[in-house]
This record gives sequence, C-alpha cells and structure tokens, in this order.
Amino acid sequence: KQEVTQIPAALSVPEGENLVLNCSFTDSAIYNLQWFRQDPGKGLTSLLLIQSSQREQTSGRLNASLDKSSGRSTLYIAASQPGDSATYLCAVLYNFNKFYFGSGTKLNVKP
Amino acid sequence: GAGVSQSPRYKVAKRGQDVALRCDPISGHVSLFWYQQALGQGPEFLTYFQNEAQLDKSGLPSDRFFAERPEGSVSTLKIQRTQQEDSAVYLCASSLSRLAGYNEQFFGPGTRLTVL
Repeated sequence: KQEVTQIPAALSVPEGENLVLNCSFTDSAIYNLQWFRQDPGKGLTSLLLIQSSQREQTSGRLNASLDKSSGRSTLYIAASQPGDSATYLCAVLYNFNKFYFGSGTKLNVKP
Repeated sequence: GAGVSQSPRYKVAKRGQDVALRCDPISGHVSLFWYQQALGQGPEFLTYFQNEAQLDKSGLPSDRFFAERPEGSVSTLKIQRTQQEDSAVYLCASSLSRLAGYNEQFFGPGTRLTVL
C-alpha cells in the first residue's frame, strides 16, 4: 500500500501569516498530485492539480510545488485569512484511477 | 446539476441492517469513485467506474460491500449486514475524463453512516 504523509497534523496561525503545508509519498512513480480543502461536514474541494511533468501550480494566494524525486509536495498559502481555516488534504495518483490520500493538516487561522 | 450530490446525507442503521447510498455525479462525467473516510483520516479508495463498467473494486473491504452504476450515471453503494466498523463518511467523486488523473475530481458532500 502506498503511504502519503502530511505534516503537521494541525496548525494554528494568526491572520496574515504565510504558511507551508507538507505532503510526502513513498513511491515517486506518480501520475499527479492534487491538493484539496475539506470543510467540516462537507466534501472535498479541489485546490490545485499538479501533473507529474510539472513542478508547480499557482492559484491566487495558493502555490503548490512537486518534487517527485524526493517524494514531496508543499502547499504554500500567502497572507492567510480566517476563511482559510479547514483541513487540507493531498492525494497522489499512482495508476490510472487510484488515489491515495494523506490524513490531512487541520488549519486554524485566528483573526 | 451544479455538482455531485449524495443521499441521504445522514444514515443511522442498526447492526445487521442493509443500507444503500446514492451518488448523482456531474452530468457527462465518465469516471466515478467511491471513498470511505473514517474520523480524522483521509479518504480511502473503495471502487472506480468508467461509465457503467466497474474497473476497480480492490478497495471494497469485504463482500458485504457492493457498488453499481447500471446506466453510467447514478451510482449506488450498498452495504449488507452492516457492522459498527462500517461507520464512516462515504464520499463519491466524479471526473470528466476516463483518464481519471487528467482532470480534477469533484466530490459530493458525503453520507455519514452510523451503525449502532
């Protein structure tokens, strides 16, 4: 079974801080990596999708990087806001259909 | 519809009962996935459909779990003789392409199953 690890498990920061969430995976033979946000009682919302041939993707205040050789991805959130409070999940695709998820980082941005 | 919908949103079952969970994917989406999410954990893959064909069911935890998508749109996940360890949130996701990794997945809100 492929392992996907997210560190830290929880993070609390004051509003306005820049922060980095980490995701590591055991097998570098990935097809792509996707970052999701999950709000309590709700499904997952896709934030960024990085194909295996790409090094990074950006959307607004979010930037995700991918280093396949080291088995790592980071999600950078600039100028955090209370509305960013949620659980962030990374998912790695190893074959054409099977995604493996990490356990998530629970983020709390304090006003 | 605008997104993936699931019903019911909450289901309480007595141990031993059968349950059926429904997923309505985004219209036209070829790929459909079911995941099981335990409290505090990330989703775990259960099964995958490409149109009506169930191409991967390797994640189904036991033969009590059964999924179908007979017309290539709506899907149903059925759990027979529910056990307490089946308590979890069941998530459905759909994707436009048959190449699941090429397009992003869109998730429904999930069904929270509690087995007493």
